[in-house]
Amino acid sequence: EVQLVESGGGLVKPGGSLRLSCAASGFTFSSYSMNWVRQAPGKGLEWVSSISSSSSYIYYADSVKGRFTISRDNAKNSLYLQMNSLRAEDTAVYYCAREGKVGATDYWGQGTLVTVSS
Amino acid sequence: DIQMTQSPSSLSASVGDRVTITCQASQDISNYLNWYQQKPGKAPKLLIYDASNLETGVPSRFSGSGSGTDFTFTISSLQPEDIATYYCQQYDNLAYTFGQGTKLEIK
Repeated sequence: EVQLVESGGGLVKPGGSLRLSCAASGFTFSSYSMNWVRQAPGKGLEWVSSISSSSSYIYYADSVKGRFTISRDNAKNSLYLQMNSLRAEDTAVYYCAREGKVGATDYWGQGTLVTVSS
Repeated sequence: DIQMTQSPSSLSASVGDRVTITCQASQDISNYLNWYQQKPGKAPKLLIYDASNLETGVPSRFSGSGSGTDFTFTISSLQPEDIATYYCQQYDNLAYTFGQGTKLEIK
């Protein structure tokens, strides 16, 4: 069974940093591109970042470019999102999602809440 | 960036009704369009990929069509368990974009 479990969310002050992790199991992690998608409270979905299976290709939304860094460790079946210079508008539930088909995320984690507030 | 305009933003329909949601891209995205369902407090679920392909395990009352800039998502006969918010998502360029969502309610 495919499982994606996010961790690392919490309360952080504006300008602070946080590192999210996503532990994957039930599939060959190293064969799939992975994504982070976020959802602000009561709002819609916003794609944040993508990383290819071997980390060769990495993409970011303009809203996080230069502040967030996506990475993965295929030996540990883990995906990461390093978030720096956090702003109030980064407050959201952050989902880790597998890209099972090109451009389509077929499995999602349960999400981890990041709250940026003083 | 490619913008996705989804309509309506909310919709109220009766069980058994045919429901249609549209999504318009700001530029040609061929068939690079997916549809997701999100129930309250849950992660999104992929329903349709590449504009018209039904994801494995998804009931056949769900369908999608379109190409270029105009896309349609249809539920042929609304069921109570279909109450959710639906999102389109494009992947034509390297920055994926979601539509604003359509909240579907039972009348």
